[in-house]
Amino acid sequence: TQLLEQSPQFLSIQEGENLTVYCNSSSVFSSLQWYRQEPGEGPVLLVTVVTGGEVKKLKRLTFQFGDARKDSSLHITAAQPGDTGLYLCAGEDNTDKLIFGTGTRLQVFP
Amino acid sequence: NAGVTQTPKFRILKIGQSMTLQCTQDMNHNYMYWYRQDPGMGLKLIYYSVGAGITDKGEVPNGYNVSRSTTEDFPLRLELAAPSQTSVYFCASSTSGTQYFGPGTRLLVL
Repeated sequence: TQLLEQSPQFLSIQEGENLTVYCNSSSVFSSLQWYRQEPGEGPVLLVTVVTGGEVKKLKRLTFQFGDARKDSSLHITAAQPGDTGLYLCAGEDNTDKLIFGTGTRLQVFP
Repeated sequence: NAGVTQTPKFRILKIGQSMTLQCTQDMNHNYMYWYRQDPGMGLKLIYYSVGAGITDKGEVPNGYNVSRSTTEDFPLRLELAAPSQTSVYFCASSTSGTQYFGPGTRLLVL
């Protein structure tokens, strides 16, 4: 069974701080996706990374896919209260299904 | 486009009762999925479908059934509700590797 572990599980920070969320596995994925989920809603796709070593930026969010395509990170610069939510990574396995990570709950205080 | 819609939003069931969770998408996507999300956790795949008339089991299919008679609809059936099925259920559809999620159905089994 493929597993994706995210760390930290919970993160509570002040507005303006930087943070990094990690997504690790012993399995190789063909691609890795990051989602943000707000209370009472479904997850919304933020980004997909496909190539080992790939880095993608989305405003203040930087996503990196590990060289071996087993891990990924999400870095947020100068966090805002609007960044609050549950962040989920999801790896695409060799049958085109997504394996979701355990999630990181982020709270950004004004 | 409404995207992915789910009904009901919330339901309380007694142990042993049955119910159908409805999911409809208007994006003409072939792929559809049912996930469950337990508190503070990631999503686990229950069943998925690659097109009308074709369904397959995911990671946690026990206690559930699905059907896919049309491209638009992918209902999830619980035959004998158990407290372990208390969860939030998300339906999703996908194209080109991007999954679009519905708003979820919160189910409480007492």
